[in-house]
Amino acid sequence: EIVMTQSPLSLSVTPGQPASISCKSSQSLVYSDGKTYVSWYLQKPGHSPQLLIYEVSSRFSGVPDRFSGSGSGTDFTLKISRVEAEDVGVYYCMEGTHLWTFGQGTKVEIQ
Amino acid sequence: QVQLQESGPGLVKPSETLSLTCTVSGASISSYYWSWIRQSPGKGLEWIGYIYYTGITNYNPSLKGRVTISMDTSRSQFSLRLSSVTAADAAVYYCAKHTNRKFNPWGQGTLVTVSS
Repeated sequence: EIVMTQSPLSLSVTPGQPASISCKSSQSLVYSDGKTYVSWYLQKPGHSPQLLIYEVSSRFSGVPDRFSGSGSGTDFTLKISRVEAEDVGVYYCMEGTHLWTFGQGTKVEIQ
Repeated sequence: QVQLQESGPGLVKPSETLSLTCTVSGASISSYYWSWIRQSPGKGLEWIGYIYYTGITNYNPSLKGRVTISMDTSRSQFSLRLSSVTAADAAVYYCAKHTNRKFNPWGQGTLVTVSS
């Protein structure tokens, strides 16, 4: 069973400041095709999750470039270069290599 | 754009079968994989399973054979059945388009309560 561990579990950020969320997997997430299937989702209050980043670092269409993803193997990071008020919500990492397992979520609030 | 809408009973009795339907618009249901995902306070987000129009399915082993996902291409719908439900199955259930090992978009979700 794959375990995806996010940290921190909550984050309070001043608008305009950067934020970073870590996601660690209990196993390598390199798939048989050589790609690494880690995606990031944002669940805004009262809404369903929305895709931000896929395959570790590819931004989904329409996602602002202040969002970036990085990492390899078992360690991954989502960075927001300058947090805006509309970025509040819970961020989830997910592995798509094995069995589509999600992290516990990181709640981002604005100070 | 692609839109998904879940529907079904919001209340299920313990030991009975939960049945939900997802209606897809804006895309051919025969062109993609489609998944069910649930979210509960206790277990967070949990992938339940997926279906392809050819009938190929794949289920989360944690659900121990209680899950069946089916598709009706003529209605552009796919469905979830989860048998022998307990309080642990209470959750918001989402359907989602499943491509290249990621989910996008998701439906708005439907809350299912398990209670007698």
